[in-house]
Amino acid sequence: GAVVSQHPSWVICKSGTSVKIECRSLDFQATTMFWYRQFPKQSLMLMATSNEGSKATYEQGVEKDKFLINHASLTLSTLTVTSAHPEDSSFYICSASDHSGANVLTFGAGSRLTVL
Amino acid sequence: QKEVEQDPGPLSVPEGAIVSLNCTYSNSAFQYFMWYRQYSRKGPELLMYTYSSGNKEDGRFTAQVDKSSKYISLFIRDSQPSDSATYLCAMTNTGNQFYFGTGTSLTVIP
Repeated sequence: GAVVSQHPSWVICKSGTSVKIECRSLDFQATTMFWYRQFPKQSLMLMATSNEGSKATYEQGVEKDKFLINHASLTLSTLTVTSAHPEDSSFYICSASDHSGANVLTFGAGSRLTVL
Repeated sequence: QKEVEQDPGPLSVPEGAIVSLNCTYSNSAFQYFMWYRQYSRKGPELLMYTYSSGNKEDGRFTAQVDKSSKYISLFIRDSQPSDSATYLCAMTNTGNQFYFGTGTSLTVIP
């Protein structure tokens, strides 16, 4: 089945630094990838939809300059949290849909970000 | 009205029980229906998906879709402690936008 790899799984950084999270579709091409944020015991919150070769579409209230998304190839999308602050600490999850098959989403394992 | 409604629970059952998880939705255009299982601090894992109406069975899991009632269900037979997790329903029509329930927290007590 479709596999999405996400790295790193856990990252700790100092306030003011930037952190990059990678999301790769391993066995299919993903023209669209989605980035979610999840707080403890809460549901998924869609941050942005990433389209290969074009600018990401951000959900209302998500700062595009804070959360930079790049989808440079059909198998890789990256999320960069710029000038991270403690309130950015969260669980970030990417997902992708293999449009060549059924329209279902496959998720990465998630990345836990802790900003000190 | 939310696109997808799901009872958040929590749901607690004894080991071996049959578990029924449900979602309702408002958009009749949805064609693909998915169930995910999410363990704490992990990404959601696709359990089953169904296209259009009907039933689908995979081991102890059965997914049902009733498009006339806009209602989907996931049944877990012979529930195990390892089934303790949050279960999310999701749906889409084109695959460009996905709509999720809020998730139901399930605990299976040994």
